[in-house]
Amino acid sequence: SAVISQKPSRDICQRGTSLTIQCQVDSQVTMMFWYRQQPGQSLTLIATANQGSEATYESGFVIDKFPISRPNLTFSTLTVSNMSPEDSSIYLCSGKRTGDTGELFFGEGSRLTVL
Amino acid sequence: GQNIDQPTEMTATEGAIVQINCTYQTSGFNGLFWYQQHAGEAPTFLSYNVLDGLEEKGRFSSFLSRSKGYSSLLLKELQMKDSASYLCAVWDSNYQLIWGAGTKLIIKP
Repeated sequence: SAVISQKPSRDICQRGTSLTIQCQVDSQVTMMFWYRQQPGQSLTLIATANQGSEATYESGFVIDKFPISRPNLTFSTLTVSNMSPEDSSIYLCSGKRTGDTGELFFGEGSRLTVL
Repeated sequence: GQNIDQPTEMTATEGAIVQINCTYQTSGFNGLFWYQQHAGEAPTFLSYNVLDGLEEKGRFSSFLSRSKGYSSLLLKELQMKDSASYLCAVWDSNYQLIWGAGTKLIIKP
């Protein structure tokens, strides 16, 4: 299995500010994803982080609000920009390796509270 | 549209058996996953089914019927630590992972 480290694990932020979440994988993964999970709900895919190129965003998510970087195979960042209370959520980084059945490995999650 | 249905919440007794059902309607099918998620934690992988039938892994087993668009997760000899949400997810024809809303399982002594 892969180990995915995410930080910060939690943060309380002021409206209008931005926060960057970092995700480090202990082995090379072919695909990395960023999910959001609001309280009591399932996971919503924000985007697929592509190495060395722009991320692929899902409907309802845009690069200006959620810029993503992936400079190499083992590291990615997600920034939540110009935050509002509606952005309060858990943000999860996940990865999948080549040849695996499709099992996703998840980071511990970053719990954001926007005041 | 793509849809995955599973019960919102279930309650079972410690030591008993519980079955959590999942039905799906997706554009194509490349496999079905079950994940366990304890409150405040990230999901962890439980099982993967791509062919019809039963996959057993210790106290947990998962069943798939592709013709019925149906899967079930069976948990035996329930323990208090099994209290968690159980998420069903399907890989569609584009290898997009479609997630169910999860079933919150409450175990009572």
